Amino acid sequence: QKEVEQNSGPLSVPEGAIASLNCTYSDRGSQSFFWYRQYSGKSPELIMFIYSNGDKEDGRFTAQLNKASQYVSLLIRDSQPSDSATYLCALRGITGFQKLVFGTGTRLLVSP
Amino acid sequence: GAVVSQHPSRVICKSGTSVKIECRSLDFQATTMFWYRQFPKQSLMLMATSNEGSKATYEQGVEKDKFLINHASLTLSTLTVTSAHPEDSSFYICSASPARYGYEQYFGPGTRLTVT
Repeated sequence: QKEVEQNSGPLSVPEGAIASLNCTYSDRGSQSFFWYRQYSGKSPELIMFIYSNGDKEDGRFTAQLNKASQYVSLLIRDSQPSDSATYLCALRGITGFQKLVFGTGTRLLVSP
Repeated sequence: GAVVSQHPSRVICKSGTSVKIECRSLDFQATTMFWYRQFPKQSLMLMATSNEGSKATYEQGVEKDKFLINHASLTLSTLTVTSAHPEDSSFYICSASPARYGYEQYFGPGTRLTVT
């Protein structure tokens, strides 16, 4: 089992809809969770991080963490075509604590 | 805040030559920097972790003698690809973290290396 699993997609949503991106992880000791956005040919950009169970909102983005079920999700409200990108879930594990472990990413396509 | 720069953004070199890539944290001190490689349509692959003033920690399978990393100051890390070969052609991305024990990482814009 991979440490961080994401559906590769593409996830297609119409403009204005809510996009829901999910990520599961295997290490129960994982402490910190991150969502990055990566446009094609560009480097990843940090969107949000979350450490505690529950929801964390920042503008149109909401990160949700459920440590008991070992999943973290990212909701994008009022999706825009400019949100079309690959979204990477990452976590800081307890071994090699400086490193982030990345999922392979979910490609999101927002159609006008 | 939390801006990381990389130079050069794109480089083409001949097989057998060496290439140096610089990574700078512009508005914070980076006690830890990371170097990644990404092939087309693949995910990020961590190559090494470097802490300022100490030797880099390389991931399994990454040749430390081929990919030389120096983190001489709190704002600068360099990656030198020695004796480059066409299979080293890739997108190299650095990231920097303001905290000693990781937490969030901020990525540079990347360097696209093509070895001919």
